[in-house]
Amino acid sequence: EVHLVASGGGLVQPGGSLRLSCAVSGLTFSSYSMNWVRQSPGKGLEWLSYITGYSDAIHYADSVKGRFSISRDNAKNSLYLQMNNLRAEDSAVYYCASSNASLDHWGQGTLVTVSS
Amino acid sequence: DIVMTQSPDSLVVSLGERATINCKSSQSVLYSSNNKNHLAWYQQKPGQPPKLLISWASTRESGVPDRFSGSGSGTDFTLTISSLQAEDVAVYYCQQYHAIPRTFGRGTRVEIK
Repeated sequence: EVHLVASGGGLVQPGGSLRLSCAVSGLTFSSYSMNWVRQSPGKGLEWLSYITGYSDAIHYADSVKGRFSISRDNAKNSLYLQMNNLRAEDSAVYYCASSNASLDHWGQGTLVTVSS
Repeated sequence: DIVMTQSPDSLVVSLGERATINCKSSQSVLYSSNNKNHLAWYQQKPGQPPKLLISWASTRESGVPDRFSGSGSGTDFTLTISSLQAEDVAVYYCQQYHAIPRTFGRGTRVEIK
């Protein structure tokens, strides 16, 4: 069974940084592209970033480009999202999701709150 | 960016009745090289992450009840729940994976009458 467990969320001040992690099990991690998607409270889903299995292609949504950085460690079956210069509007639940094409498997999410 | 427009925003349906959700993309998500529509449907129940129901516009994921079906091509798509059950109360999202950025519809909330 596939499991994705996101962690690293919390309360951070505007302008601060946070690093999210996603531990993956139950699939051949390096064979899958990975994504980060967020959901603000009571709102819809926003795709943020994508990284291929061997990190040869990386993409970002305009809303986070230049502030967020996605990476992965295939030896540790882990995905990361480094978030810098955080803003109040970045407050959301952050999900990691695996993909071959569609977003096949999702983690439970980790809550990020940006507030002073 | 490809804009995904879902309708209606919410739907109230009696148990056992049909629920129909529409999704329109601002440009075609049909990929000519494989003749597949790069369109997925997700179900999100309260307090849970989204769950993939249907990929390639009409391919049901393993374990998804056959009362869920997807149809459409190009820019117009439909998710149908043929006989609504209590456990189907959720928000449903369409998403295109034809282009970057991946984009979602705003969601359709399905409730029981």
